[in-house]
Amino acid sequence: SQKIEQNSEALNIQEGKTATLTCNYTNYSPAYLQWYRQDPGRGPVFLLLIRENEKEKRKERLKVTFDTTLKQSLFHITASQPADSATYLCALLSGNTGKLIFGQGTTLQVKP
Amino acid sequence: GAVVSQHPSWVICKSGTSVKIECRSLDFQATTMFWYRQFPKQSLMLMATSNEGSKATYEQGVEKDKFLINHASLTLSTLTVTSAHPEDSSFYICSAGRDGYTFGSGTRLTVV
Repeated sequence: SQKIEQNSEALNIQEGKTATLTCNYTNYSPAYLQWYRQDPGRGPVFLLLIRENEKEKRKERLKVTFDTTLKQSLFHITASQPADSATYLCALLSGNTGKLIFGQGTTLQVKP
Repeated sequence: GAVVSQHPSWVICKSGTSVKIECRSLDFQATTMFWYRQFPKQSLMLMATSNEGSKATYEQGVEKDKFLINHASLTLSTLTVTSAHPEDSSFYICSAGRDGYTFGSGTRLTVV
């Protein structure tokens, strides 16, 4: 069956450290993968998109990698700040329907 | 950038009544919008794809007669939860766009 999985356990790190979140998928061949940030009681906010032919994408303190062989994406936040505390969702496009399939999200807590 | 406005942000209704949620694309036209539901500590689950000028397509297990979707213009889609019951209490979110999807801020529905 098709699955997209993120570590459901919360990630707690110290301010200034690099946070690394993992997204694994099975039985999908996505053209691209996306990462979103969701704060409590709010809708997700788009952060980054990485295509299947891209290994790495950066945006300010954010970095995403995409390994289609391992079927895995890693999401890094460098020099993390308490304001980065939120739930981060990965999502991939299912076929060419435009439907996004989401992982369950990983909650990041950055402590000062 | 693209903005999606969702209204209301929260609503409490009595069991058996109907509730309408609006999703508007403010600065772009959206021929397709998506409706999601999110239960506490769970990921977003796609309910249906709303298509301007035609019928919505529903995901497996979603009752189309209970969750009525209307996409009458290029900037507005509505979701009506009919004969709501407590188990319909959830966080409903819409989205629109391509590649990096823009989400509304969500509607917290509580059925009492």
